[in-house]
Amino acid sequence: EDQVTQSPEALRLQEGESSSLNCSYTVSGLRGLFWYRQDPGKGPEFLFTLYSAGEEKEKERLKATLTKKESFLHITAPKPEDSATYLCAVQGVYNDMRFGAGTRLTVKP
Amino acid sequence: NAGVMQNPRHLVRRRGQEARLRCSPMKGHSHVYWYRQLPEEGLKFMVYLQKENIIDESGMPKERFSAEFPKEGPSILRIQQVVRGDSAAYFCASSPKSRLNTNYGYTFGSGTRLTVV
Repeated sequence: EDQVTQSPEALRLQEGESSSLNCSYTVSGLRGLFWYRQDPGKGPEFLFTLYSAGEEKEKERLKATLTKKESFLHITAPKPEDSATYLCAVQGVYNDMRFGAGTRLTVKP
Repeated sequence: NAGVMQNPRHLVRRRGQEARLRCSPMKGHSHVYWYRQLPEEGLKFMVYLQKENIIDESGMPKERFSAEFPKEGPSILRIQQVVRGDSAAYFCASSPKSRLNTNYGYTFGSGTRLTVV
């Protein structure tokens, strides 16, 4: 069964303090690994899709990387507006997206 | 482009009543997905629909839950005889292509928060 585990559950950073969020997964035939951002009271907002090990994608202060077992979301010099819950999801050959429980990021000014 | 529209945003129902959640996909999107989110848990897939067709309902409870996406109008998630355990946020998402095409991430609505009292 496809599984996604995200760590840490919560992360508090000072503004400018870079860090990484982890997404470990098992999936039967990876079709894509997805990162979303979710703000309180809102639906998830699509950030990236990664397809194969070694792939990287960047958007502003965010950079997502992928290996055969995990993905990292690196946040460089974060700002308070980066505070949100970051969700990771995988899609295998036979199933719909399987989401992790998310990492709740708080960036203090 | 108004994005994915869900209504109502908040819905309160007494145990035993019916809940109807509506979702209008983004313009040009003909694929709709429903997810449920419980506090501190990830989004759980419920059902995937195209116009007039249920493609995958493997995540939907066999009883009391149903979904439709008619030729005209929004997609509807219907929960009959609600129980306290149905309290959750229900999110709808849409995409322009089949979920087999992973070039497109899903566009989510803001959700409907159902509270059963």
